[in-house]
Amino acid sequence: EVQLVESGGGLVQPGGSLRLSCAASGFTFTAHFMEWVRQAPGKGLEWVGRIRHKAHGSTTEYAASVKGRFTISRDDSNNLLYLQMNSLETEDTAVYFCARGPSAATENFYYPMDVWGQGTTVIVSS
Amino acid sequence: DIQMTQSPPTLSASVGDSVTITCRASQSINSWLAWYQQKPGKAPKFLIYKASTLQSGVPSRFSGRGSGTEFTLTISSLQPDDFATYYCLHYNSYPLIFGGGTKVEIK
Repeated sequence: EVQLVESGGGLVQPGGSLRLSCAASGFTFTAHFMEWVRQAPGKGLEWVGRIRHKAHGSTTEYAASVKGRFTISRDDSNNLLYLQMNSLETEDTAVYFCARGPSAATENFYYPMDVWGQGTTVIVSS
Repeated sequence: DIQMTQSPPTLSASVGDSVTITCRASQSINSWLAWYQQKPGKAPKFLIYKASTLQSGVPSRFSGRGSGTEFTLTISSLQPDDFATYYCLHYNSYPLIFGGGTKVEIK
């Protein structure tokens, strides 16, 4: 079964840091780009960022709202995806989802997120 | 950045109705558009990609159309399980942007 399980959420003070993890199973993790998406309470979905796979240099893309503060990384040996969040702001309060992105099997990597984790909640508050 | 405008924000309908949700892009995104369904407290469910291709396992009452800047999601013959919030997503370029969502509620 294809599965993504996030962990690491919690309560953190403004200006603090937190690292989220996402454990992947049931598919070839190394073949896929991976994404983070968040959803503030009562709001819509917001794409946070993407990490490409090793063949594409594990390069990253970020939303403007988190660029310079958040870092996405991956551990291909252990099928893990990470989101390091620094300089957290109250506006970063949200449920954070990891999601599977495209692979080389898709049309030039033009493919959306197809598998999602259940999410982990981050609350930034003093 | 490309902006995605989704309408209506809320839609009231009855079981058996046909409903259509619209998503407009601020510039052409070719056909690189996806649709998701989300229920409260749950992760989004992937429905459609490349504007009109149904993901495996998604009921055929869901259909997508459009290209360029205007796209629609139609649910024919609404079922009780279909009452949820729907989001479009463009993946034509960075940043990827979701529409604001359409809540389909029971009339």
